[in-house]
Amino acid sequence: DSGVTQTPKHLITATGQRVTLRCSPRSGDLSVYWYQQSLDQGLQFLIQYYNGEERAKGNILERFSAQQFPDLHSELNLSSLELGDSALYFCASSRQSGGAGDTQYFGPGTRLTVL
Amino acid sequence: KNQVEQSPQSLIILEGKNCTLQCNYTVSPFSNLRWYKQDTGRGPVSLTIMTFSENTKSNGRYTATLDADTKQSSLHITASQLSDSASYICVVTSFGNEKLTFGTGTRLTIIP
Repeated sequence: DSGVTQTPKHLITATGQRVTLRCSPRSGDLSVYWYQQSLDQGLQFLIQYYNGEERAKGNILERFSAQQFPDLHSELNLSSLELGDSALYFCASSRQSGGAGDTQYFGPGTRLTVL
Repeated sequence: KNQVEQSPQSLIILEGKNCTLQCNYTVSPFSNLRWYKQDTGRGPVSLTIMTFSENTKSNGRYTATLDADTKQSSLHITASQLSDSASYICVVTSFGNEKLTFGTGTRLTIIP
């Protein structure tokens, strides 16, 4: 158990809908990262927040948005869902803003299925 | 374009044998390189992390090497166990913007 929690574990929805994924980082961690992992594809970095502010941006679509709240939990919002958005979405947290000594701890993931 | 390539894509070995996984990258400027183990359907778990000045780092039966000149890394697994069956992912961080570039992983299967 990494100490990172994600809810829900599974989510099934229809195309065009909007969903929110939630992540609670490990106690004391200031950074939250979001990743997408589609079937047969590697992990794709979406976005990082550090202490409430956006720190780094990866391959995040405009239909997706995220935020980190004052209590440091984070939400990833996915809108106008398409079939291709079906994937595992992982959240990770780390103590600081990144760097060599800043290990990321991954949550168990949310499996999103868009029908 | 920053890229991380891993080989082989998949590997099957007998329990107790050793194996080596490869990672080549073009990420520049370089900050650090991590190896992760990911069990099916679960989040990745960090195995090792190496900076520019580190050549070798061990974590139990896992030993990672880094050659920053040739931009190559390897992960050596000694005396493999059934629980080593997983995907192994190489991740390189860019210096400055801390952007992460992920390899697509090597799927390792250990058979009894």
